[in-house]
Amino acid sequence: DQQVKQNSPSLSVQEGRISILNCDYTNSMFDYFLWYKKYPAEGPTFLISISSIKDKNEDGRFTVFLNKSAKHLSLHIVPSQPGDSAVYFCAASPNSNSGYALNFGKGTSLLVTP
Amino acid sequence: GAVVSQHPSRVICKSGTSVKIECRSLDFQATTMFWYRQFPKQSLMLMATSNEGSKATYEQGVEKDKFLINHASLTLSTLTVTSAHPEDSSFYICSASLQDGGYTFGSGTRLTVV
Repeated sequence: DQQVKQNSPSLSVQEGRISILNCDYTNSMFDYFLWYKKYPAEGPTFLISISSIKDKNEDGRFTVFLNKSAKHLSLHIVPSQPGDSAVYFCAASPNSNSGYALNFGKGTSLLVTP
Repeated sequence: GAVVSQHPSRVICKSGTSVKIECRSLDFQATTMFWYRQFPKQSLMLMATSNEGSKATYEQGVEKDKFLINHASLTLSTLTVTSAHPEDSSFYICSASLQDGGYTFGSGTRLTVV
């Protein structure tokens, strides 16, 4: 039962433009959300997180928006760079306490073209 | 930052043999370790959670006698795939929880059973 859903398997964006990656979740107990970037045959690299008490968190070119009523979050990357090309995973947890395992989406493969 | 070293990165084994995957925390103590499995184009699915010195907690559908997890020390957790079969071929990855609330991931192990 997939509780975290990334419905777009792939996204192609031109360099310099904005990349918007979407994520939906079904479990209302989720309270903490994270985005990871992953290259093939490597472990995920943490990008940014957001707690449910916030609706926005920004870190450099990365911004995560959370709409708790819609159970939806999105990652915005602006400006997009070719080095951003990777698979992006959305993950959720019932708590920011890292004693809980993460629930991952299937990922969105982002391609940033020059 | 906190690093988890996972070995081997890639292994090919014959059907019926066992394979051990190690995850070592290099500069911190990993009280809790999560083991995930990722099939192609799928999400990282939690297999089990292990706490140092305790028996691992397995997710529904994951055979504990087939996937043996040992977390005998704060710096080492191992996953042994026993009597491996081709359907066990997958990408296995460990993740340790950090005291500051984050997670760090190993680089993953690509297991191919022939």
